[in-house]
This record gives sequence, structure tokens and C-alpha cells, in this order.
Amino acid sequence: EAGVTQFPSHSVIEKGQTVTLRCDPISGHDNLYWYRRVMGKEIKFLLHFVKESKQDESGMPNNRFLAERTGGTYSTLKVQPAELEDSGVYFCASSQGGRGNQPQHFGDGTRLSIL
Amino acid sequence: AQSVTQPDIHITVSEGASLELRCNYSYGATPYLFWYVQSPGQGLQLLLKYFSGDTLVQGIKGFEAEFKRSQSSFNLRKPSVHWSDAAEYFCAVGAGGTSYGKLTFGQGTILTVHP
Repeated sequence: EAGVTQFPSHSVIEKGQTVTLRCDPISGHDNLYWYRRVMGKEIKFLLHFVKESKQDESGMPNNRFLAERTGGTYSTLKVQPAELEDSGVYFCASSQGGRGNQPQHFGDGTRLSIL
Repeated sequence: AQSVTQPDIHITVSEGASLELRCNYSYGATPYLFWYVQSPGQGLQLLLKYFSGDTLVQGIKGFEAEFKRSQSSFNLRKPSVHWSDAAEYFCAVGAGGTSYGKLTFGQGTILTVHP
């Protein structure tokens, strides 16, 4: 079974530009999560999809971040315009169920560097 | 709100020595607890999880963890560390009850293994 796939693995852009991150969850997993780790800080939750619906987006930092999951398969996370503080590693995870006892399977992350 | 504390940012052990990584959590109900490991350049891999029942749980790669409700702790242990265990380790708590399962992570503990 293929794991969670994220791309690009690394993106370097200038402040003010737009970047789109993509996540392909494990096939059959209805629940998809985005997390972010800013350097020196803990991994923080951004949002949770159940199929194509946003179940919880309480962790999204501001309206420069837009997440979509059209058709309930892969998801994209767009940052527009990017700011310096958006640098970090963005992780995607998926699980079959959405309850707290469901193990989440993580991708390798996208390292985003804003210059 | 739930929170997780990993008091040790960096731990160094010799190969073959025993290991204990500390994790304390704050959560109002019975927590769902996880340990993840991130090797360099890779994503987070689930080591083990605790939901209920036996408070000593076994995981992959020879790791185990013990849930102690009275101390709000979920420490990770390994009797004999191998050089390949060098990585960053994360403790996480998942929302229980009817809440959906976003994970709250500790800040991580970096493990260095000396030959």
C-alpha cells in the first residue's frame, strides 16, 4: 500500500509569491490533516478534512492560507501571498476514521522556505 | 485545551544503553496517546499508541511506553539503544470522546547515539 505522498519535497520562493503544496493520502482514507512545524517549535495542527468537507480549520493561521480537497481525494494547501513567517515544514497525514484513537499516517513533509 | 510537554529537547546516550524519553500531557478526559519518530529526511512514523487497557504498550523497533494516569505521563523506553535509533521523537495526544482527532504534539526530543 502506498503511503501518504507530498510534493514538492522542498520549495523556495520569495516573499509575496504564491506556493501550492499537494498531498495524496492513503487510498481509502477519508480523513486528511495538515500540520506545520515552524523552526524550533512544535508541530501544530492546521486543518482536518473529512472527504471533501472541512471538519476543523481552527489551526489555519490567517486567510492567506487556502486548503482544498476537491472530490475527496488529494488535497492542496495554497499560501498567497507568502510571508517570511510561513517558512517551515508542512506535513500531511491521513487516517481511515476521524476519531482521536485513529492512527494518522504522515507524509515526508514539504519544507517551505520563504526568502 | 490539551497540551503535551517533552521536557528534554536533546538526549545523548551510548549505543547499548537504556533509554527513557519523557512525556507529560494535560487533557480533561482519558487521552489517546501516541509516540512518533522522525528520522532525518523522512516523515513521522508511528511507534506505538495507547487508548485503554494495559498501561504498558509495546511498539515497533523494540520500544515500549507506560501510561501513568496519576502522573499524567506517557514515557517512552527502550532497554538497549541502537545507532539507528538516532532521530527526533514526538509525543502526541489525540482528542477523545466525540471530538475529532487532531493531534497535539510536544516539542520533540532529539536523540543522539554515540558508538
